[in-house]
Amino acid sequence: AQSVAQPEDQVNVAEGNPLTVKCTYSVSGNPYLFWYVQYPNRGLQFLLKYITGDNLVKGSYGFEAEFNKSQTSFHLKKPSALVSDSALYFCAVRDTGGSYIPTFGRGTSLIVHP
Amino acid sequence: DVKVTQSSRYLVKRTGEKVFLECVQDMDHENMFWYRQDPGLGLRLIYFSYDVKMKEKGDIPEGYSVSREKKERFSLILESASTNQTSMYLCASSLIITEAFFGQGTRLTVV
Repeated sequence: AQSVAQPEDQVNVAEGNPLTVKCTYSVSGNPYLFWYVQYPNRGLQFLLKYITGDNLVKGSYGFEAEFNKSQTSFHLKKPSALVSDSALYFCAVRDTGGSYIPTFGRGTSLIVHP
Repeated sequence: DVKVTQSSRYLVKRTGEKVFLECVQDMDHENMFWYRQDPGLGLRLIYFSYDVKMKEKGDIPEGYSVSREKKERFSLILESASTNQTSMYLCASSLIITEAFFGQGTRLTVV
């Protein structure tokens, strides 16, 4: 079975400060990991993914994430937050030895204050 | 640009009506998904299709059915709409190991 947890419902950060949105996962095999962003009344947009290789993955809009196998984590980071980064962020995992269906976390609302 | 298009952004239907939500993708993806999104519950999978005419139930299939007669089109059907099916519905498609591409969502209100 596969699962993903986003332990924070909401993250607040001041504009210009670094941000982190946390994600931990559980799979029986190796993971494919994904981050998506959702703006109000829109679908989800893909940000970045980890499939294999370098543990630090860079994605769209200056976001990056670090795959940590020992801690089974895939936290989303950005060095300097923008007010326009305020949105709902979803982490997803798929077990490479499992089904084709990704499991999504419940989402974390990121609020960047001016 | 890859594209997943849902037929309606907003929909209002009456209790008991049969409702069709249509989704079309132009990326030749094998996999297509229907999710339901409710506040605090995240995305919950309703149905999944990995090929034409093939489907699998997700976590919450009750009250829903799906149809995939062509590779590019995946339809979600509410057989008899109820107020507890008021929600945001999201369609997505993907290749086997890649990220999913989502449509813009359909906000359905059942009155």
